[in-house]
Amino acid sequence: QQQVKQSPQSLIVQKGGISIINCAYENTAFDYFPWYQQFPGKGPALLIAIRPDVSEKKEGRFTISFNKSAKQFSLHIMDSQPGDSATYFCAVRITGGGNKLTFGTGTQLKVEL
Amino acid sequence: DTGVSQDPRHKITKRGQNVTFRCDPISEHNRLYWYRQTLGQGPEFLTYFQNEAQLEKSRLLSDRFSAERPKGSFSTLEIQRTEQGDSAMYLCASSLATGNYEQYFGPGTRLTVT
Repeated sequence: QQQVKQSPQSLIVQKGGISIINCAYENTAFDYFPWYQQFPGKGPALLIAIRPDVSEKKEGRFTISFNKSAKQFSLHIMDSQPGDSATYFCAVRITGGGNKLTFGTGTQLKVEL
Repeated sequence: DTGVSQDPRHKITKRGQNVTFRCDPISEHNRLYWYRQTLGQGPEFLTYFQNEAQLEKSRLLSDRFSAERPKGSFSTLEIQRTEQGDSAMYLCASSLATGNYEQYFGPGTRLTVT
């Protein structure tokens, strides 16, 4: 049972463009929504995270938009750079679930010059 | 470097052998998690500890897998009688038990079972 659905599976964006990755969930008991960035051969690195009492969070070029009623959240990367080329994972945490994370299937982003 | 460290980074073993991986969390973090990641997939939760207590185990963690955190600091994950299906990246993460929920991952141990 897939608790979080991530799309698209892959994405190609021109340098300077906006990259948008989406995640949808079904369980309303989730209370924490992080995004991780992973480069080949490395562990995931926490990028940005949001809690459901906030609709948007921005850190530098990265923004999370959260739509509680639609049960969706998305990552926006502004002014995308070739160094942003990586795999991005959304994740969810269930309330009272011991802080374990359930991850999406990932989006492979390539930023072209 | 005060991040999460894992050892070894790569392990190649023959089917049927036992392997053990080590994770050293961020020093002030009392929660430690193990995840497994196969190619093209997101990490999947295996188990987690709060201090030395193992509080939850996924059904993915068969009886061939055992994890320990004897003194509430580093942790080990042992796989007995390895199978080819065990080939994956084994990731360790740590966090505080209160306050923010941020989990920080180590670089992982890549296991290849031949």
